[in-house]
Amino acid sequence: AQSVTQLGSHVSVSEGALVLLRCNYSSSVPPYLFWYVQYPNQGLQLLLKYTSAATLVKGINGFEAEFKKSETSFHLTKPSAHMSDAAEYFCAVTTASGGSYIPTFGRGTSLIVHP
Amino acid sequence: GAGVSQSPSNKVTEKGKDVELRCDPISGHTALYWYRQSLGQGLEFLIYFQGNSAPDKSGLPSDRFSAERTGGSVSTLTIQRTQQEDSAVYLCASSLALSSGGRNEQFFGPGTRLTVL
Repeated sequence: AQSVTQLGSHVSVSEGALVLLRCNYSSSVPPYLFWYVQYPNQGLQLLLKYTSAATLVKGINGFEAEFKKSETSFHLTKPSAHMSDAAEYFCAVTTASGGSYIPTFGRGTSLIVHP
Repeated sequence: GAGVSQSPSNKVTEKGKDVELRCDPISGHTALYWYRQSLGQGLEFLIYFQGNSAPDKSGLPSDRFSAERTGGSVSTLTIQRTQQEDSAVYLCASSLALSSGGRNEQFFGPGTRLTVL
C-alpha cells in the first residue's frame, strides 16, 4: 500500500520568502514521486517528478524537491516566492513494481503569497 | 499538440437527473483516469482505463456511477439519478501506458464543475 501526507493544508509566505511545502510518503517498494500544481479553475499540471535518478529534482518555475529515503520525504521548495505561485499543490506517489501504478495523491496544500 | 479536454466545463442539473461527462485524452495515451475533487478536499480516485478496459472499478462511489471508453480514446463518465452530494469538479487525466510502470506523469484536463440543485 502507498500513501501520501502533506503537512499543512495552508501555507502562507511573503513575496520573496522561502517556500517549503512538506510531503511524506509511505511505500513498501521504491516510489516514484510527483508534485503537481493547480491554479484556480484549472486542472493539475506537473511541476517535477522523481523517478530514481538524481535525488534533487528541479522543476518548472524555480521549484525543486529532494528525495530523502531515510526520512520518506519529498518536500517542495522555492528560494523566493512570487505572487504568481499562489495555487494548490499536490504531492503524489506511485510505485515502480509490486504495488499500484495508480497515483495516490495527498490532500493538497494551498500556498498563499502576501505582497 | 492538444492537451486533455473535457466537456462541458460547467454543468448544472436537478437532483434525480442523469448527467454525462466527456473526456478527450491526449492522442497516444493509453491510460485514462477519472477523479473527483470536492471543495477543500484532495483528489478522489474514481476509475482508470488501460485501453478500453477498466480493471478496477472499486473507486466508483456507488452503482449510480459508470464509465466507459471507446476506441482507446474518448471516455464518458455517467452519473445516474444525481444527488446533491455529487456536486464537485470531475477531473480527467491521461498518461502513457501503465505497463511501463508508475513513472509516467499524468496530464490533466481543466475539469467539469458539476452542480446538482
